[in-house]
Amino acid sequence: QVQLQESGPGLVKPSQTLSLTCTVSGGSISSGSYYWSWIRQPAGKGLEWIGRIYTSGSTNYNPSLKSRVTISVDTSKNQFSLKLSSVTAADTAVYYCARGGSPFDYWGQGTLVTVSS
Amino acid sequence: SYELTQPPSVSVSPGQTARITCSGDALPKQYAYWYQQKPGQAPVLVIYKDSERPSGIPERFSGSSSGTTVTLTISGVQAEDEADYYCQSADSSGTNVVFGGGTKLTVL
Repeated sequence: QVQLQESGPGLVKPSQTLSLTCTVSGGSISSGSYYWSWIRQPAGKGLEWIGRIYTSGSTNYNPSLKSRVTISVDTSKNQFSLKLSSVTAADTAVYYCARGGSPFDYWGQGTLVTVSS
Repeated sequence: SYELTQPPSVSVSPGQTARITCSGDALPKQYAYWYQQKPGQAPVLVIYKDSERPSGIPERFSGSSSGTTVTLTISGVQAEDEADYYCQSADSSGTNVVFGGGTKLTVL
């Protein structure tokens, strides 16, 4: 059974870079033809796709976030990561990592990131 | 940018049938997926490729597609089905993933 776990700071200052890591267990991140994705959800609002990375390293990003987002993968650690630069209060949300690029069949539990000084 | 449109809320009594729609111009070309999300939990995939049901999802959940609209149907709704439901698909290029705004299902 594949499991995903997000980790990273829960508080980020405005204008700084948000960095999160997703650790995958129960299977190798580089086995099979899977995308690995990040999705976020502001409190009381809907889901927003951030982007995805294929096992080859190719990426797709939400056009509305593309200029600020970088997703990378570290197969040696069975992890993939999200960096979101120049954050504002609007980036405050629960951030989920998930397996798949569409659909998303396994999800992490989510981690709350608050942007505040 | 591409959008998927869902009704904000749907209400049904226990045992009735709930239908949640999702509309988008690219749906005739792109598969739709449905997720159930309960408070404080991560979403769970309940329908994939318009109408397929993952293992472990009750048979009362079904999906259908007609033109630019896809529908999630929950037959014999139970109290435990009260949740937010999101449709998800991709734009016509298949590159960009999009979620609908979500529908809150209330079981009266």
